[in-house]
Amino acid sequence: GIQVEQSPPDLILQEGANSTLRCNFSDSVNNLQWFHQNPWGQLINLFYIPSGTKQNGRLSATTVATERYSLLYISSSQTTDSGVYFCAVEPPSGTYKYIFGTGTRLKVLA
Amino acid sequence: GAVVSQHPSRVICKSGTSVKIECRSLDFQATTMFWYRQFPKQSLMLMATSNEGSKATYEQGVEKDKFLINHASLTLSTLTVTSAHPEDSSFYICSARDPWQGSYTFGSGTRLTVV
Repeated sequence: GIQVEQSPPDLILQEGANSTLRCNFSDSVNNLQWFHQNPWGQLINLFYIPSGTKQNGRLSATTVATERYSLLYISSSQTTDSGVYFCAVEPPSGTYKYIFGTGTRLKVLA
Repeated sequence: GAVVSQHPSRVICKSGTSVKIECRSLDFQATTMFWYRQFPKQSLMLMATSNEGSKATYEQGVEKDKFLINHASLTLSTLTVTSAHPEDSSFYICSARDPWQGSYTFGSGTRLTVV
């Protein structure tokens, strides 16, 4: 089955710093989403981005489907950005299943 | 956007008992819902696909007799952990596809502790 790898696995930043999170997938995909999992476990949808670039405030994301990767940019990081970031992909099997990546655990220090 | 409600958020049960977790789509009909499991500091693993009016489809390695899934209506799917054991302690989370946007919305999750 499709493999979804994220890097880096762990990241520590000072407040105000910028960062780039990467998601690589081993096969073509129908859809891709980025999520932030908060300390209570809730998955917050950040971007639905099967291709192209989107921006939402301090966050932006780019997916290059032909090269099988997606990037999540966080600018001017804040302590509230801490948590785990997952990308999830839907393989082109028509079953709407989502396969989650390995995750990046981010800690932003004040 | 679409909202998925999951209850309970936290449950503690005794070993050998069964626990039911509910997942509701609040403002849309979901013919298909998904159940995931997450162990501490790990990613989410898909357990099964819940299909309205038919049997659930389980992923390889998931015991269908232990994790009973019922999707009796277009807005409700339930996961019952039967004869729970401490190793079933985990975070369970459901999701459904937003029919308008194509993205997936997740419930808030259920933290199950079996003692």
